[in-house]
Amino acid sequence: GNSVTQMEGPVTLSEEAFLTINCTYTATGYPSLFWYVQYPGEGLQLLLKATKADDKGSNKGFEATYRKETTSFHLEKGSVQVSDSAVYFCALLNNNAGNMLTFGGGTRLMVKP
Amino acid sequence: KAGVTQTPRYLIKTRGQQVTLSCSPISGHRSVSWYQQTPGQGLQFLFEYFSETQRNKGNFPGRFSGRQFSNSRSEMNVSTLELGDSALYLCASSLSGRAGTDTQYFGPGTRLTVL
Repeated sequence: GNSVTQMEGPVTLSEEAFLTINCTYTATGYPSLFWYVQYPGEGLQLLLKATKADDKGSNKGFEATYRKETTSFHLEKGSVQVSDSAVYFCALLNNNAGNMLTFGGGTRLMVKP
Repeated sequence: KAGVTQTPRYLIKTRGQQVTLSCSPISGHRSVSWYQQTPGQGLQFLFEYFSETQRNKGNFPGRFSGRQFSNSRSEMNVSTLELGDSALYLCASSLSGRAGTDTQYFGPGTRLTVL
């Protein structure tokens, strides 16, 4: 079946530090990969996506590269801000599971000024 | 273009009652999916509707049901509420009928509390 594993949080960083949140997946075929972000009291917002191997998704300074050889989709940002504090979810969409997104457990990021 | 809207945003019910949640997808989107989010179980898929038909269903009891209308709006219903049904219920819409290919956009969720 499909599954997503991401690093447990919380991840606590100082402002302007470098961020990496690890995400690995198990899936047959060629899934699409996503990062969603959830701010307190809100729903999920799409942060970035990649639909095939070696694609790089990017948005708002965040990046992630779809690595099929290591089945990974790690999220990175060069310089975090306090406003980036949120919970980040890695997810995959595989056409062997219809439109069902499979999510990782989420990683809480806390950025201190 | 307006995003996915969900109503109500908050609900408080007691055990044994039933509840209906509503979701309006992004204009032009025809697929609507529902997810349950809890601290213990994380994000779990409930079901997906496309063209008024349930196309996929997660591993939830029959107390959880849904439907989709001709304008793509969707409702989900939970009957005989249990304490464990307390959760954030998220609706997501996507554009096309090709399952497993399109990006899903989420609404703000409905926070259900069962007392």
